[in-house]
Amino acid sequence: AQSVTQPDIHITVSEGASLELRCNYSYGATPYLFWYVQSPGQGLQLLLKYFSGDTLVQGIKGFEAEFKRSQSSFNLRKPSVHWSDAAEYFCAVGDGDNAGNMLTFGGGTRLMVKP
Amino acid sequence: EAQVTQNPRYLITVTGKKLTVTCSQNMNHEYMSWYRQDPGLGLRQIYYSMNVEVTDKGDVPEGYKVSRKEKRNFPLILESPSPNQTSLYFCASSLSMGHLTYEQYFGPGTRLTVT
Repeated sequence: AQSVTQPDIHITVSEGASLELRCNYSYGATPYLFWYVQSPGQGLQLLLKYFSGDTLVQGIKGFEAEFKRSQSSFNLRKPSVHWSDAAEYFCAVGDGDNAGNMLTFGGGTRLMVKP
Repeated sequence: EAQVTQNPRYLITVTGKKLTVTCSQNMNHEYMSWYRQDPGLGLRQIYYSMNVEVTDKGDVPEGYKVSRKEKRNFPLILESPSPNQTSLYFCASSLSMGHLTYEQYFGPGTRLTVT
């Protein structure tokens, strides 16, 4: 069964600093990988996704993520964090071979941004 | 505006009192799904539906029912709610083309408290 681990439950960074959120997955075949962001009181918004091809993917709001098969990782990065980036971030893996294409989510990382 | 809507957004109820949370999407999506979000556990899938009259269990289906009589609607039914179903619930939908399902669009969430 597929699984996703986000090792950091909370992360605090200063505004303007760089950010990296870690995501490790367990999946037998080529995974479909996603990063979602959940702002307070809001639903989940897709930041970026990886299906195949270039392992460095660009998303919205200046985020990017790199798929590293050898490390089973899909870490999210941003070079300069803004106060509005404070939110909870979820990594997810989709089972592309399953007709239901169920998403398995990690436990989430809550990002706090210091002024 | 393309969106997934859920009602109600907040609900406090008592053990055993049947309730329904509605979900509707206006994007003509084939695939719809229900998740529950609990702290530290991320989102876990309850049920999903590939199309009208086609539903299947996710990871945590116990205590829940769903139906898909129309393409746009996917209600979640708790026949006899219990306190362990206190959670934040999200409905999601996505376009499905054969086995490949694209990114999911999430509703704003329904916070349910069962006393």
